[in-house]
This record gives sequence, structure tokens and C-alpha cells, in this order.
Amino acid sequence: NAGVTQTPKFRVLKTGQSMTLLCAQDMNHEYMYWYRQDPGMGLRLIHYSVGEGTTAKGEVPDGYNVSRLKKQNFLLGLESAAPSQTSVYFCASSSGDRVYQPQHFGDGTRLSIL
Amino acid sequence: SQQGEEDPQALSIQEGENATMNCSYKTSINNLQWYRQNSGRGLVHLILIRSNEREKHSGRLRVTLDTSKKSSSLLITASRAADTASYFCATDAGAGSYQLTFGKGTKLSVIP
Repeated sequence: NAGVTQTPKFRVLKTGQSMTLLCAQDMNHEYMYWYRQDPGMGLRLIHYSVGEGTTAKGEVPDGYNVSRLKKQNFLLGLESAAPSQTSVYFCASSSGDRVYQPQHFGDGTRLSIL
Repeated sequence: SQQGEEDPQALSIQEGENATMNCSYKTSINNLQWYRQNSGRGLVHLILIRSNEREKHSGRLRVTLDTSKKSSSLLITASRAADTASYFCATDAGAGSYQLTFGKGTKLSVIP
């Protein structure tokens, strides 16, 4: 019973490098989300997807891209990492009708940009 | 922008005491959810209360919602050391919304 799995758990990048964070869910959920969590800021939505092949911008999308080629996977890409993107990134998924269902979270990816 | 704001930011209590956390929000909602986050882990859903509900219970948890005051409270009764965590409220942006907006959280410490 994996739920939501995020890969990798930790990563250190240099400014300007690129990387992709992977989120996989095994609950057949339609909706998937990427958040970042910074000290004192709570969680902020980066991008989300309401189904395979669809993506949409959240509150803080700049500097990130996403793809949802398969229903179970949601990828978050940083094309040119910046120190301001140092954060903990959480993926979540949910089923059913929009925001009436709880979101299930992974344990996060801790990303440091030097 | 932050929709929900929790109060207090931090709370320290003795095991066995009750813990109350509050959440205020700014715009109309369809529902409000509470989540718990243990240190170094992801958020875990605790309870959802719809805008037409005033109170909801789940085990030792009691949630109230006052839409006229745009506020909610989470009560944890007979707290345990294992309840030590951060607690977040999350609100939607109204009809048709796909997005939840999380507050900054209340950090609860339960001292054995």
C-alpha cells in the first residue's frame, strides 16, 4: 500500500542545473498536485492536474514545468534551478469531485539549490 | 495568497489536556479541511467539514465551523505525546474550485 511516492527524497543542486521530481500514486486518483513548503509560509500550490494529459498553474508556477503523461505519474521540472527554489516539495493526489475529497500526500522531496 | 490562517502559531500542553486550534479564512468556501503533519513527513488528512455543517467529530477530534465569522476550530481531547505535530487548515476557493489553500499551521507540542 504505497499511496503517493516521491522520488528523490533529497537532492542538492547547483544554480542553473535542471532536474525532475517524480510523483507516483497507486490509488487511481484523477487529480494530482505539486506544492512547495517554506518555513513560515505554509504550503503553496505550484501546478496541478485534473486528469491524464492536463495541467494547470497554481499560485506559484514560475520557474517550474509539469507533465502528466500517465494517470499515475506527475512530474515537476526545474529547467534552471535558482536558490529561491530551495524548499520542500510535496506531491498530493485526490479522487472524486474537485475539492470535496481529501488529498493524499507523499513524504516530500527536500531540495537545496546552492 | 493565504486563505486560512491558524491561531496560535505554536501551542504547548501537557499530556491529557485538551488542545484547541483556530482557523480564520477570508472568502466563501464549500468546505474546510484539517490536516496533520508530523516532523519530516507529508500531510495527513484528519477531517473535512462542509459549509452547511456546524460541527463534526472523529474519535478525539472535534471540528466546528462558523461561516458567519469565517472561522473554524479543531479540538483534540485528552492529548497524547503522539499528537505532537503541525496542524493545518485548508479551504477551497468556492464553487468549481480544484484548489485548496493551506494556512501556515499551528505547531502543537504535547509534553509527556
